[in-house]
Amino acid sequence: AAGVIQSPRHLIKEKRETATLKCYPIPRHDTVYWYQQGPGQDPQFLISFYEKMQSDKGSIPDRFSAQQFSDYHSELNMSSLELGDSALYFCASSLSGGGNTEAFFGQGTRLTVV
Amino acid sequence: DQQVKQNSPSLSVQEGRISILNCDYTNSMFDYFLWYKKYPAEGPTFLISISSIKDKNEDGRFTVFLNKSAKHLSLHIVPSQPGDSAVYFCAASARRTGANNLFFGTGTRLTVIP
Repeated sequence: AAGVIQSPRHLIKEKRETATLKCYPIPRHDTVYWYQQGPGQDPQFLISFYEKMQSDKGSIPDRFSAQQFSDYHSELNMSSLELGDSALYFCASSLSGGGNTEAFFGQGTRLTVV
Repeated sequence: DQQVKQNSPSLSVQEGRISILNCDYTNSMFDYFLWYKKYPAEGPTFLISISSIKDKNEDGRFTVFLNKSAKHLSLHIVPSQPGDSAVYFCAASARRTGANNLFFGTGTRLTVIP
C-alpha cells in the first residue's frame, strides 16, 4: 500500500538559506500534518492542513510557512535557516470525516543546517 | 509544557516476558490516544489506539489500557519479541475540540533481550 512520501530524505543547508520540504500524503487522505523532531526530543507539532486550508497551528516559527495544494500534497518552506532548525521533519496524513482515524507518518526529512 | 509524559526513557525485557510501557497526560480534553513505534531513521508507525469511551483495546500481542481518572495509559506487549525493540511514543489528541493534531510523549526505548 502507498505510504506518505517525503522528499528529500536528507538536506544540508547553510545558515540563512532557505529550504523546501515536500510531503505527498496517502491517496485520498485530505489532512496533512508537519512535525519537527530535534535530537533526543519528541516530535513537536508545527502545522496542519485540511482540504488545503490551515486547520491547526503549533510551534511553527514565523520564518516557516506551509501550504497544501489541490492534489493534497504539502510543502514546508523554511527561510533564514538557523543552526537550531537542524532536525527530522515528519509529515503525516490522515483521512478526516468523523471516526477515529490514525495519522500515518512518512519517513521524514533530515535537515542539517551548517 | 509537556502535556504527554513518558517517565521511563528506557526499558529492557527478556524475550517471552511482558513489556509494560506507561504514559501520563495532563490535558483533560484529550479523548483519543495512540501508540507509535519508531525505528531509527524511519517515521513513527501506528501501533494501536484507544478512544476515551473505552478502557481497553486489544490487538494481537498489544493491549492498551486507559485510566481516565488517573490520566494514565499503558501499552502491554505479551509475549515480547526481539523485533519489538524500538522507541515507543505515546500520543494524544483532543478530537472533541475539532483538532486532530497529536501531542507526543518523549518516548520509551524498549529493548527485548533474546
